[in-house]
Amino acid sequence: GESVGLHLPTLSVQEGDNSIINCAYSNSASDYFIWYKQESGKGPQFIIDIRSNMDKRQGQRVTVLLNKTVKHLSLQIAATQPGDSAVYFCAENLPYSGGGADGLTFGKGTHLIIQP
Amino acid sequence: KAGVTQTPRYLIKTRGQQVTLSCSPISGHRSVSWYQQTPGQGLQFLFEYFSETQRNKGNFPGRFSGRQFSNSRSEMNVSTLELGDSALYLCASSKAGRELFFGEGSRLTVL
Repeated sequence: GESVGLHLPTLSVQEGDNSIINCAYSNSASDYFIWYKQESGKGPQFIIDIRSNMDKRQGQRVTVLLNKTVKHLSLQIAATQPGDSAVYFCAENLPYSGGGADGLTFGKGTHLIIQP
Repeated sequence: KAGVTQTPRYLIKTRGQQVTLSCSPISGHRSVSWYQQTPGQGLQFLFEYFSETQRNKGNFPGRFSGRQFSNSRSEMNVSTLELGDSALYLCASSKAGRELFFGEGSRLTVL
C-alpha cells in the first residue's frame, strides 16, 4: 500500500491568502521529504525539501514543516498567486546505502485551485 | 543549463505494439529514473539506471524494460502494449539520487 498520502485531493484558496497543504506519512524510518509541484502538462518540479533532523525549512514564499511525532508534513505557501495553481505532491525517502530513486514514495497529490 | 528532455512528448499506439521512449538527463547527472503516472495510481517507480546499470526496479511486469547509454541518456521500452499502459511516463535525473529533476513526460495512449 501507499505510505504517503495527502489529506485533501483538492484545496481551493483565495488569491493573496496563505495555502497549507498537508501530508501524512506512515514510515517513521523516512529521513528525507520533498515537495513537488506539477503544473498541467508538465513534469513535477522540485519546490523544497527537508531532512528528518529539522522541523522547519523556509524557501521563497514556501515553508515546509515536519512533525515527526505524528508523522505529518505540511507545505505553506504565502500570498498565493494564480501561478501557484498546480498539483502538489509530497514524497518520502527511506534511508539506504546505495542511493537511487527507488526509495522515494510519492503521495497522490493535492490540486491547489486559486480563486480570483 | 538544459533540463531533462524526453521524446516523444505524445504518442498513440495500438494494443500489442511496442514503444520506445527516450530521456536525456541534465548534463553531469548519472542517475536516470523512470516513473509511470496515472490518475488512479499516481507516480509509480519503474526503474533507475546509474552508470549504464539498472540499480533498482519497481513492481512492473517484464514487458517494461530500459537501458542507459554511456552518455547517460536512457531509453525505456514497453512491449506488447495493453490499454492499461496508457499513462504519462516521466523521466528524472539526479546527481546524488535524492533530488530528482523531472522532464515533461511522454504521454502514451494505447488504443
